[in-house]
Amino acid sequence: GQSLEQPSEVTAVEGAIVQINCTYQTSGFYGLSWYQQHDGGAPTFLSYNALDGLEETGRFSSFLSRSDSYGYLLLQELQMKDSASYFCAVRDEAYNQGGKLIFGQGTELSVKP
Amino acid sequence: TAGITQAPTSQILAAGRSMTLRCTQDMRHNAMYWYRQDLGLGLRLIHYSNTAGTTGKGEVPDGYSVSRANTDDFPLTLASAVPSQTSVYFCASSGKGTDSYNEQFFGPGTRLTVL
Repeated sequence: GQSLEQPSEVTAVEGAIVQINCTYQTSGFYGLSWYQQHDGGAPTFLSYNALDGLEETGRFSSFLSRSDSYGYLLLQELQMKDSASYFCAVRDEAYNQGGKLIFGQGTELSVKP
Repeated sequence: TAGITQAPTSQILAAGRSMTLRCTQDMRHNAMYWYRQDLGLGLRLIHYSNTAGTTGKGEVPDGYSVSRANTDDFPLTLASAVPSQTSVYFCASSGKGTDSYNEQFFGPGTRLTVL
C-alpha cells in the first residue's frame, strides 16, 4: 500500500532548530510537499521538492532524497507562531493524472518559550 | 482576493439526510479537490477534478459525489449521510502542471456532524 510516515509530535524551544522527517512508500513519485495547519484551520503550502537536495524559503527549508524515499522539513529560529501541525504529502501520479496528493498523518509541533 | 470559499462553515445533519457542501474559487485554477480530515488520519482525498467537466475518485469516494460544471465551483454531495461521515471537509484548488499540482490552496473547511 501507499503510506507516508512522520512523527506524531515534536517539541522544541523558541529560537531553536527542529527537523520533521517524512518517509514515503508510494507507487510513483512526482514530488514531496509540506503543508502547515494551525488549530484545524486551512492547511497552507510551505514548500515542494521534485528533485534531490535542499530548498530554502526563509526560515524554512525542505530536503529530499529520492533514493532513500525520505525528506524533511527544517525550521530555524523557531517562533511561538510556528506551533502547528505539519504534513508531508506526495504526488504519486504523472502530470496527465492530475494533482492527487497522499498526505502523512501530520506532526504536531509545540514551541515552548 | 477571496481565494477559496466554502459553505456552510459547520452543519449538524441527521443520518439519512442529503447535503451539498459548496466550494467556490476565484483563482481560475483548473484542478479542484475535496478532502476530509479526521483526528489522527491526516487529510484524505475524496474526489478531484483536473478540469471543468471531468471528475475522478480519490482514496475515500464511497458515499460522496461531485460535479464540475464550470471552473469555479466544485460541490460535494452526500446523498444519504451516515455518522462515519462526521468530519472536517476541506476543498482545495491548484493550477495545472507538474509543479503547480503540488501547491494546493485550501478553503477554510466545513465541520460536519452526522447524528
